[in-house]
Amino acid sequence: QSALTQPASVSGSPGQSITISCTGTSSDVGRYNYVSWYQQYPGKAPKLMIFDVTNRPSGVSSRFSGSKSGNTASLTISGLQAEDEAEYYCNSYTSANAYVFGTGTKVTVL
Amino acid sequence: QVQLVQSGAEVKRPGSSVKVSCKASGVTFRTQPITWVRQAPGQGLEWMGGIIPLFGTANYAQKFQGRVTITTDDSTTTAYMELPSLTFEDTAVYYCVGEVGGPYYFDYWGQGTLVTVSS
Repeated sequence: QSALTQPASVSGSPGQSITISCTGTSSDVGRYNYVSWYQQYPGKAPKLMIFDVTNRPSGVSSRFSGSKSGNTASLTISGLQAEDEAEYYCNSYTSANAYVFGTGTKVTVL
Repeated sequence: QVQLVQSGAEVKRPGSSVKVSCKASGVTFRTQPITWVRQAPGQGLEWMGGIIPLFGTANYAQKFQGRVTITTDDSTTTAYMELPSLTFEDTAVYYCVGEVGGPYYFDYWGQGTLVTVSS
């Protein structure tokens, strides 16, 4: 199972919106609405930001939103803030009754 | 509240094995899916496998099939991940993770256990 494909880096200025893509296959992202997104600061455990493609856990800012089209899922961060600078990973359930993470995207706030 | 507390950092020789523990509290342990994820230094997250204690049978990523063993002990609400025949490439932080709010996503993470393989 190959990792889902994410851009290595995305950057934006404070207040702008950015979108991170996560491309899989018809056996994972394209087949199930079980895509989740995680934020990770250096040296810390990841934190769940989005689950089931579009849902936000309690406590996660509404500036974070998720979507999916075909084999590609996306995470959008609106009103970018300095605290959003982190690594972001997508994850999908797969037809092999397994999970696969994305390659990770470093978000930089300019 | 939900807590997943892992065992401490380990330094191992190549060819030896490591067993990392994960003590769960605040959950109904027997029906709580527990997953193991690892992250090599400077690298991304990698799903290793998972288990539901009630069923007792773990499923593993193809890469780790036949190598890693995930088990649970209901009496102590503890999950374990054992990795034999360690190589330098197994140096990583190993996380135990709970799917507490629902299936198919990982909402509670342990603090991570650094396993260093060094000669």
